[in-house]
Amino acid sequence: QSALTQPASVSGSPGQSITISCTGTSSDVGGFNYVSWYQQHPGKAPKLMIYGVTKRPSGVSNRFSGSKSGNTASLTISGLQADDESDYYCSSYTSSSTWVFGGGTKLTVL
Amino acid sequence: QVQLQESGPGLVKPSQTLSLTCTVSGGSISSVSYYWSWIRQPAGKGLEWIGRIYTSGTSNYNPSLKSRVTISVDSSKNQFSLKLTSVTAADTAVYFCARGLIGATSFDPWGQGTLVTVSS
Repeated sequence: QSALTQPASVSGSPGQSITISCTGTSSDVGGFNYVSWYQQHPGKAPKLMIYGVTKRPSGVSNRFSGSKSGNTASLTISGLQADDESDYYCSSYTSSSTWVFGGGTKLTVL
Repeated sequence: QVQLQESGPGLVKPSQTLSLTCTVSGGSISSVSYYWSWIRQPAGKGLEWIGRIYTSGTSNYNPSLKSRVTISVDSSKNQFSLKLTSVTAADTAVYFCARGLIGATSFDPWGQGTLVTVSS
């Protein structure tokens, strides 16, 4: 199974919005509403930010939102804050009953 | 609040078997609502899903690792384990254990991770 495709880096200024894309295939992202997004600060474990494409776990800011169109899912962060600077990973369930992650995107808050 | 903690040797010799255990606290590993996974991350690289197991014993593995991986559950100890055979330097990584919620198909929470280095 091939890794999902994410941009290596994105950046934005405080208060702005950014979107991170995650492209897969009809066997993973496009075939299921089972895309999740994780935030990982350096040296820390990943933290679940979005699951089921659009759902936010309790405690996650509503500045984080998810969507999907075809084989591409997206994570949007609005009202960028300094603490949002981190690595972000998408993940999808697959038709083989396995999971696949994206390569990760480094978000820089300018 | 459920917490997960990985444990095991930090150094494994090439061709030997990597063995890690994840201890679950604050909840029962026997709950039918969850599955239990291992995920790894080489230094400076992305996440790689290794496999998952239900408490029933049913498991699924990453096709690229399937021939070398076994995940098992010990409900009496509230633990699940990872064995990876015939390791090479390419298996050097931080290994995370994580809980998955059936129906949500996501991983939450995660353990803090443990670094395993494969070297002679």
